[in-house]
Amino acid sequence: KQEVTQIPAALSVPEGENLVLNCSFTDSAIYNLQWFRQDPGKGLTSLLLIQSSQREQTSGRLNASLDKSSGRSTLYIAASQPGDSATYLCAAPSGGGYNKLIFGAGTRLAVHP
Amino acid sequence: GAVVSQHPSRVICKSGTSVKIECRSLDFQATTMFWYRQFPKQSLMLMATSNEGSKATYEQGVEKDKFLINHASLTLSTLTVTSAHPEDSSFYICSAVRTSGGNEQFFGPGTRLTVL
Repeated sequence: KQEVTQIPAALSVPEGENLVLNCSFTDSAIYNLQWFRQDPGKGLTSLLLIQSSQREQTSGRLNASLDKSSGRSTLYIAASQPGDSATYLCAAPSGGGYNKLIFGAGTRLAVHP
Repeated sequence: GAVVSQHPSRVICKSGTSVKIECRSLDFQATTMFWYRQFPKQSLMLMATSNEGSKATYEQGVEKDKFLINHASLTLSTLTVTSAHPEDSSFYICSAVRTSGGNEQFFGPGTRLTVL
């Protein structure tokens, strides 16, 4: 059974810092892993999708890496801005079920000016 | 491309009534859609997998008679919360997977249900 854990649960940093958000998963037989952003009371915004054949994906100031063997993924945010404040969710497919995603509890990020 | 909409975005209803939530893939066909529920300050939990033309598959602990799912076309899945009660108040989010291939899920904006 797939379980997804995110560390830290919450993070508060001053603007400009580089950040690392961590995600671990128990079932490494995954075909992809996704990172999402969720603003309070809103839906999900897909940030990055890493296929199992890839080791990382980059989009602007965001970089996500995937290490299937160790069951870990990290989301790196460079030069953080107040607009980055949100909850970041990691999701991995459950074993066997077609595309069923298991979500971590998220990391609540606050970037203050 | 790959836009998913949900309607309504917000609904308030009285206890005992039924509420229908629509999930549409606007620019692609989706054989499979998923319904998630998110309680305040918690993460998303999968409720059921909706397959076009067949019965939905429910996750353990989710009552199929209470949460009716219909996936009548390749672009529309509906979730009906029957005889809603205050404990059903939650944020309901759907996602869709392209019929044409790929394994990425595209998420709708969510529906906030409040049962009085």
